[in-house]
Amino acid sequence: ELKVEQNPLFLSMQEGKNYTIYCNYSTTSDRLYWYRQDPGKSLESLFVLLSNGAVKQEGRLMASLDTKARLSTLHITAAVHDLSATYFCAVITSGTYKYIFGTGTRLKVLA
Amino acid sequence: DTGVSQDPRHKITKRGQNVTFRCDPISEHNRLYWYRQTLGQGPEFLTYFQNEAQLEKSRLLSDRFSAERPKGSFSTLEIQRTEQGDSAMYLCASSPKLTRPGLASNEQFFGPGTRLTVL
Repeated sequence: ELKVEQNPLFLSMQEGKNYTIYCNYSTTSDRLYWYRQDPGKSLESLFVLLSNGAVKQEGRLMASLDTKARLSTLHITAAVHDLSATYFCAVITSGTYKYIFGTGTRLKVLA
Repeated sequence: DTGVSQDPRHKITKRGQNVTFRCDPISEHNRLYWYRQTLGQGPEFLTYFQNEAQLEKSRLLSDRFSAERPKGSFSTLEIQRTEQGDSAMYLCASSPKLTRPGLASNEQFFGPGTRLTVL
């Protein structure tokens, strides 16, 4: 059964600093998705990664996918308070369209 | 607004009562998904439809849960004889029809959710 793990679970960082969130998954997949969730809100799509070596960037966030290592990273550059949220990765395995979500990383950026 | 919509946004009910939630997907999206999210956890898959066909159900979907998508457009999720453990956010998502096999992203677009509280 596919398992998806994220670390860290909680991250408190100062504005202006850089950090990376990691997403590991247990079985073969070449489709990985990153979402953001604000408290009490739904999920906002950030990135869709569809192949090994895929890299996507939007503002201060950059996501990458290594399917051989079964690892995706979400890198935060020069964090700002507005990035405070919970970030989820989700994986699809072949033969199905359902997402398996990671445990989530709750990010708090301190001014 | 052409996003996924859900109704109601909040529902408070007493244990043992039945509740029904509705989801309207993005127009022309042929796949529709239901997830459940409890506090501090990631969403967990419940079921999904391709058009009107229910193609997969999670073991989380007990006999008290039933979902329908009768005309391949909106969907309903009913919970019978609610229990306190059913308290959660119920999220609906939709994804578009594949235009080129093997190249579709299967990206899912989520609605605002229905927060259920069972007293």
